[in-house]
Amino acid sequence: NAGVTQTPKFRVLKTGQSMTLLCAQDMNHEYMYWYRQDPGMGLRLIHYSVGEGTTAKGEVPDGYNVSRLKKQNFLLGLESAAPSQTSVYFCASSFVFDPPLEQFFGPGTRLTVL
Amino acid sequence: AQSVTQLDSQVPVFEEAPVELRCNYSSSVSVYLFWYVQYPNQGLQLLLKYLSGSTLVESINGFEAEFNKSQTSFHLRKPSVHISDTAEYFCAVTNTDKLIFGTGTRLQVFP
Repeated sequence: NAGVTQTPKFRVLKTGQSMTLLCAQDMNHEYMYWYRQDPGMGLRLIHYSVGEGTTAKGEVPDGYNVSRLKKQNFLLGLESAAPSQTSVYFCASSFVFDPPLEQFFGPGTRLTVL
Repeated sequence: AQSVTQLDSQVPVFEEAPVELRCNYSSSVSVYLFWYVQYPNQGLQLLLKYLSGSTLVESINGFEAEFNKSQTSFHLRKPSVHISDTAEYFCAVTNTDKLIFGTGTRLQVFP
C-alpha cells in the first residue's frame, strides 16, 4: 500500500516551459487536492477534485490546470511556468470531503522556475 | 473568513524539555481543528484533531492539544520532547470542506 505518490520529486524549469505533475493514490479515495507550500505562507489550495472527471478551483488557481481522468490519478499542469511558481507542491487525498477529517499527503515535488 | 495564526515560526528546545506550540484561529462559527506534522523531506501527516466533545485531544506519540473556545486557541503541548519530534507543525481549521492552514512552526529538538 503506497498511499499517495508524486512524480517527479524535483524539477527545474525555465520561464515559459510547461510540465505536468502526477499524483496517484491507491486508497480508493474520492477526493483529491493540490497544494503549494511557500516559506512563511503555509499550504495553499490550488485545485481540488470531488470525483473522477470533476475539478474545482481553490485559493490560488491562476497559472495551473488540472485533470482527473481516472479516480486514482490527479494531474497538475503548468502551461507556461513563471518564477512565482517556484514552490513545493503537495498532493493529498481524503475519504471524507465535508468536513475534511483527514487528508493523506504525498511526499511533495520541489519545483524551481528560473 | 477563517484564519489561523501560529505566532512562533521556530521553537528550539532541548531533549526531554516540555514544549508548547501556539495556534489561534478566527471564526464566527463552530470549527474543526487539526494539527499536522511534517517530518523532513516528507508530506504532512495528521497528528490529532478536535471535532467535538472533550476539549483535550491526544495523539499516539504523547502530544496533546486543548480546544479553548473563549480564547479561540488550540495549542499543542508535549511534556517531554524527543529528538525524533524535530519537524514542522501546522495548525489547520475548517468549518466547511476546505482546510485553512497556518504558516507552520518549526520545532527543533537539541540533544
